[in-house]
Amino acid sequence: AIRMTQSPSSLSASTGDRVTITCRASHGIRSYLAWYQQKPGKAPNLLIYSASTLQNGVPSRFSGSGSGTDFTLTISFLQSEDFAIYYCQQYFSYPYTFGPGTKVDIK
Amino acid sequence: QVQLVQSGAEVREPGASVRVSCKASGFTFTNYYMHWVRQAPGQGPEWMGIINPTGDSTSYAQKFQGRVTMSRDTPTSTVYMELSSLRSEDTAVYFCARGAIEIPAAGTFDYWGQGTLVIVSS
Repeated sequence: AIRMTQSPSSLSASTGDRVTITCRASHGIRSYLAWYQQKPGKAPNLLIYSASTLQNGVPSRFSGSGSGTDFTLTISFLQSEDFAIYYCQQYFSYPYTFGPGTKVDIK
Repeated sequence: QVQLVQSGAEVREPGASVRVSCKASGFTFTNYYMHWVRQAPGQGPEWMGIINPTGDSTSYAQKFQGRVTMSRDTPTSTVYMELSSLRSEDTAVYFCARGAIEIPAAGTFDYWGQGTLVIVSS
């Protein structure tokens, strides 16, 4: 199985900050990488697929980049509703696998 | 609007089985693959498997092979996940999720159920 890692595991930031989260795959996955946001007690919500394509309805302050093994999620101007846990997921091959998550909380 | 409504929380003893249901509405059920994903307390999501639109093909994560069965019923637009030989490590929230249909996104999960808590405890 392809192992996904994320860094940092958590970060503290203020509204208006620019935040970058990194995801790394143990094997090359081309651009088959998605990002999800999860808030407490809720299901994950798809933000980005194909490494850089925004899902319908997702604010443009979210962006993604990368291919192969290294990927990033950037939130350009952090809003209060963005405090959550973010997960990357590879869908290059079964079993689909998720990263361990990055918690973004309020500084 | 797309909705996936799951069955309620379950408590089982070790060794027992559990079946979770997920009723879909708001989209053409027979056009979509459906997935099951679980999330243990404080952990990241874990993909369990997929069932095709007609229900005659499944693929399960090796970790669950032999213990999980996914099925679907077209007339009621419902998917099911049954997990047997439960152990304490299976305590988790279980989600059904719709597989995105657009080619670049196929393999991602664009709508999720609300989750079903399964507790395995003696």
